[in-house]
Amino acid sequence: EADIYQTPRYLVIGTGKKITLECSQTMGHDKMYWYQQDPGMELHLIHYSYGVNSTEKGDLSSESTVSRIRTEHFPLTLESARPSHTSQYLCASSESSGSTDTQYFGPGTRLTVL
Amino acid sequence: KNQVEQSPQSLIILEGKNCTLQCNYTVSPFSNLRWYKQDTGRGPVSLTIMTFSENTKSNGRYTATLDADTKQSSLHITASQLSDSASYICVVSDRGSTLGRLYFGRGTQLTVWP
Repeated sequence: EADIYQTPRYLVIGTGKKITLECSQTMGHDKMYWYQQDPGMELHLIHYSYGVNSTEKGDLSSESTVSRIRTEHFPLTLESARPSHTSQYLCASSESSGSTDTQYFGPGTRLTVL
Repeated sequence: KNQVEQSPQSLIILEGKNCTLQCNYTVSPFSNLRWYKQDTGRGPVSLTIMTFSENTKSNGRYTATLDADTKQSSLHITASQLSDSASYICVVSDRGSTLGRLYFGRGTQLTVWP
């Protein structure tokens, strides 16, 4: 079982609210990722980080932002949530051990914006 | 265009039966292929990983095969159990970037009935 945690697991909020999805890992991994997944669809990479103070946007355009102030922590923030942000958000981490590094996923946060 | 296609989209089998899930990809240059299991409401968990030179890999009742020439992979599940009910996701990594870009299939939703 991977030591990567996400909170909250479920969140229902109104349009326009600011939210932060938390992700923490205790494995000391340098690389961390945020994915967005809609039901029955593939995962889409929205943000990633190679290490502290390193953040990059992924393939899917997202209005969210991320920060990486500590190795173990990679929070995702939406300044003003909209119904189009309703989705499952998955956080993952991996070691910097080359091209075969396995990504370990957290349990996900299911976000619903009304 | 780099893509990962999985079939069937969904599958229902009886407990104790075997099944095979398919994955076709067009990702190039190829680095490795992973199969993940994703339980409902949870993050994906890695089952197997295969590089270019490997054509079969087992993990308990799960056996993955890879044909790098035809760009096809399969996941065979033997003596299915109720706990095998999940989405099985094929993920292919390229060698085109330092990140090792991952391409996700949409998954096969497997349901095992008693």
